Amino acid sequence: SQKIEQNSEALNIQEGKTATLTCNYTNYSPAYLQWYRQDPGRGPVFLLLIRENEKEKRKERLKVTFDTTLKQSLFHITASQPADSATYLCARSSNTGKLIFGQGTTLQVKP
Amino acid sequence: GAGVSQTPSNKVTEKGKYVELRCDPISGHTALYWYRQSLGQGPEFLIYFQGTGAADDSGLPNDRFFAVRPEGSVSTLKIQRTERGDSAVYLCASSGLTSGGSTDTQYFGPGTRLTVL
Repeated sequence: SQKIEQNSEALNIQEGKTATLTCNYTNYSPAYLQWYRQDPGRGPVFLLLIRENEKEKRKERLKVTFDTTLKQSLFHITASQPADSATYLCARSSNTGKLIFGQGTTLQVKP
Repeated sequence: GAGVSQTPSNKVTEKGKYVELRCDPISGHTALYWYRQSLGQGPEFLIYFQGTGAADDSGLPNDRFFAVRPEGSVSTLKIQRTERGDSAVYLCASSGLTSGGSTDTQYFGPGTRLTVL
C-alpha cells in the first residue's frame, strides 16, 4: 500500500540548534509533498509545498528538501526557538487535493 | 477575515446515539474536506466536496457516516449509531481551488472533539 511515514518519536533539541524532521514514502511517487504545523487543540496550518522536480524550498527559517531517489523529504528549522515546539505533519496530495498525512513528529525546543 | 469554524468544539455522546458536526468554511471556498484525527496520528481523509456534491467519499469508514453540503458552503457530518471507536477529533478544511486541487492550500478549522461513552 502507499504509505507516508514520519518518525513517531518526539524530537527534543536545544534552542538555537537546527531541527531536522524526516518524511519517507513507499510504493508510489508523489508529485508534491506538503508540510503542516499543528499545535495542541488546533487544526494543522500549512507551511510549505515542494514539487518532485524541486530539490529544495525555503521560507524564512524553514527549509524542505525532496529526494526522489531516497523517497524522502527532510524538513529543517534553523535557529530553532521554543515557539517552534509543535507537531509537524508531512502529507502528499492526490489529484483531487485530498491529503494523506503521516503520523506527525512532535518537536520540543528547550530554552 | 474569518477562518474555518467548527461547532461544537466538544461533543460527548452515548454509544448508539446520533450526532451532527458542523463546518463553516472560508467564504467563497468551493472545496471542503472532512478528516478524522485519532490521538497521536495524522488526520485521516473522510470526504471531499466540490460545491454541493461529494466528489470523493472514499474515506468514509462505513454507512453510519454521512455528510452533506446542500448550498455549497456549510457542511454537516452526520454519524448514526455512534460507537466508542468513533471517538476522535473531526477536522474540516476548505480551499479555494485556485490551481486545480493538488497544490491548493487547505485551511483547517480547530476541529470537533467527539467522545463516545
